Amino acid sequence: DQQVKQNSPSLSVQEGRISILNCDYTNSMFDYFLWYKKYPAEGPTFLISISSIKDKNEDGRFTVFLNKSAKHLSLHIVPSQPGDSAVYFCAASGNAGNNRKLIWGLGTSLAVNP
Amino acid sequence: DVKVTQSSRYLVKRTGEKVFLECVQDMDHENMFWYRQDPGLGLRLIYFSYDVKMKEKGDIPEGYSVSREKKERFSLILESASTNQTSMYLCASSFSGWGNQPQHFGDGTRLSIL
Repeated sequence: DQQVKQNSPSLSVQEGRISILNCDYTNSMFDYFLWYKKYPAEGPTFLISISSIKDKNEDGRFTVFLNKSAKHLSLHIVPSQPGDSAVYFCAASGNAGNNRKLIWGLGTSLAVNP
Repeated sequence: DVKVTQSSRYLVKRTGEKVFLECVQDMDHENMFWYRQDPGLGLRLIYFSYDVKMKEKGDIPEGYSVSREKKERFSLILESASTNQTSMYLCASSFSGWGNQPQHFGDGTRLSIL
């Protein structure tokens, strides 16, 4: 059973608008969440992360929001640019035992149209 | 910048061959990981290592082994390659600690077993 779910396999957005990518998780022991971006024929690249003690983390055009009660996080990209077109992976981990491993979602393919 | 280098971008091998995939990182990271990525299945952890000569099984270790003789190098071995091991293989490294340390990935090896 998937512990980290990205329910939208794909998303299409106009350049300059906001992109919102969503991620849900089931394990309440997760306390650290990361977003990665992956271009074709390259490995994933770390984008931004958030600890469970926060509800928001911002880095330039990228902001991650965490709603612990809903077990939901989202990545906002504002404004979206064509170079943001990639697959975005959400990942989560805890701090002890088997929860230490990163658990990955299946990814959302973002297309930013000029 | 962290550099994780995988020895081959593309590799074609025959069923039953012993296959070696090599990974080198240049940031003195304690942790190293091997994943495979398949369509619809996301990233799945095969093995990881948190120190020289130390290794732990991930989620899908069957048919694989690993070797870490030096801190910077982590090898994945397919003992007797089979067609169901055709996949994209990704190596990653991170500082000690777990989910709170972003993993840095190589560009992957696309392995085909004929």
